[in-house]
Amino acid sequence: GENVEQHPSTLSVQEGDSAVIKCTYSDSASNYFPWYKQELGKGPQLIIDIRSNVGEKKDQRIAVTLNKTAKHFSLHITETQPEDSAVYFCAALSTLMKTSYDKVIFGPGTSLSVIP
Amino acid sequence: GAVVSQHPSRVICKSGTSVKIECRSLDFQATTMFWYRQFPKQSLMLMATSNEGSKATYEQGVEKDKFLINHASLTLSTLTVTSAHPEDSSFYICSARGTGWGYTFGSGTRLTVV
Repeated sequence: GENVEQHPSTLSVQEGDSAVIKCTYSDSASNYFPWYKQELGKGPQLIIDIRSNVGEKKDQRIAVTLNKTAKHFSLHITETQPEDSAVYFCAALSTLMKTSYDKVIFGPGTSLSVIP
Repeated sequence: GAVVSQHPSRVICKSGTSVKIECRSLDFQATTMFWYRQFPKQSLMLMATSNEGSKATYEQGVEKDKFLINHASLTLSTLTVTSAHPEDSSFYICSARGTGWGYTFGSGTRLTVV
């Protein structure tokens, strides 16, 4: 099955700096890679996603890159703000089976702290 | 956008009792729903996957008789923790998938068994 690793586990940055979180996956069949932000006591919220036919995607201050050959994907947050402080999870899954049993496999998470 | 409502947000129950958690997709039909468990400072661990009208598929190590999942309609799935014990205390989160790629998560339920 799929295994997703994520680094670093904790990350502290100064407000305005950039933050980068990296993930690797094991299953070459994975073709969809969402990133979630989870605030304390709440459920995860999708912040950006990328599909395997795309190498990079950007949405304002957030960008995701994907290297299919190396099975790496990364989240980049620029001009960080205190409200970006949260736990971020990467995930990987395959939607190729055309069934509803494709499971989202989460990385272990990165706790991001943005220091004002 | 897609919204998933999860209730209750917090529940405290006595050891030995059962607790039911509801997960509703408000503006889309959820062909598949997933239930996760999350311990403090840890990632989400998938417990089970269910399709509407079918029996849930449980992950290895998850007791199906303890964690009863019902997905009776395309907008509602329930998780019942039966004969709860303190070690069942955790944060439970549901997720729903419609016909597209996206997975929408509920806001979670903090279960405390005393």
